[in-house]
Amino acid sequence: DAGITQSPRHKVTETGTPVTLRCHQTENHRYMYWYRQDPGHGLRLIHYSYGVKDTDKGEVSDGYSVSRSKTEDFLLTLESATSSQTSVYFCAISESGVRTEAFFGQGTRLTVV
Amino acid sequence: AQSVTQLGSHVSVSEGALVLLRCNYSSSVPPYLFWYVQYPNQGLQLLLKYTTGATLVKGINGFEAEFKKSETSFHLTKPSAHMSDAAEYFCAVSDKKNSNYQLIWGAGTKLIIKP
Repeated sequence: DAGITQSPRHKVTETGTPVTLRCHQTENHRYMYWYRQDPGHGLRLIHYSYGVKDTDKGEVSDGYSVSRSKTEDFLLTLESATSSQTSVYFCAISESGVRTEAFFGQGTRLTVV
Repeated sequence: AQSVTQLGSHVSVSEGALVLLRCNYSSSVPPYLFWYVQYPNQGLQLLLKYTTGATLVKGINGFEAEFKKSETSFHLTKPSAHMSDAAEYFCAVSDKKNSNYQLIWGAGTKLIIKP
C-alpha cells in the first residue's frame, strides 16, 4: 500500500471553529490533492499541489485553504467551519499528475455541528 | 470543461451474472480515462486506466473497460460477478486547467451483488 496517512480520521467540530486536516506521504510524490466526497456528487477537488509551495484551486475551494511547506505534508484548513463542510475528505497523491495512478488515503470524516 | 456521467447510481446483479457499469464523458480530445473502486469505509483504488494504445483495457479483479471514442464512452465490465465485487465504482477523466491536469469524477455507481 502507498504510504499515505490522514489525520485525524474522525472529527466533530462546532460551526465557526477552525479545523486543519493533515495528509502525510512517504512516497515522495510530487502531486497531492484534497477531495471531498458527498453522496451523489462523487469526488470534488478542493485544492491540489504540484510541488512544495505550489498549489492551485479546485472546483470547490471556497472556504478552504491549503499549505505545503514540505514534500510529504499537505494541510487542508477550514478557516471557519460551516455545516455545509460536513463531509468525508480524501487526500490523494500521484507521481506525475493524472497520467499516473492516484493513491488515496483512508479519509477523514468531518462533522460540523 | 469536462464532465463525466455514470448511468445509474445503483446497479444490482446476481452473483455469476455480467457486470456492466456505464461511463460517458464530454470531450472532443482523447482524454485519459480511469475506473476506481471504493470498498466501504476505505479510500479509492485504481481498477484500470486508458491513456493511449489498445482501446480494450484489462484491470484488476477480472474487470475490463473499452474506450470508444465515437461514443465518448468507457464502460466497465466483468463477465461473472462475485460477492466481493460489491462496492462503489467511480469513473474519472482527465481535464487540463491552467497547464495542469486534474481528474473530473463521475458521481459513482454502487454495485450490489445478489446471492
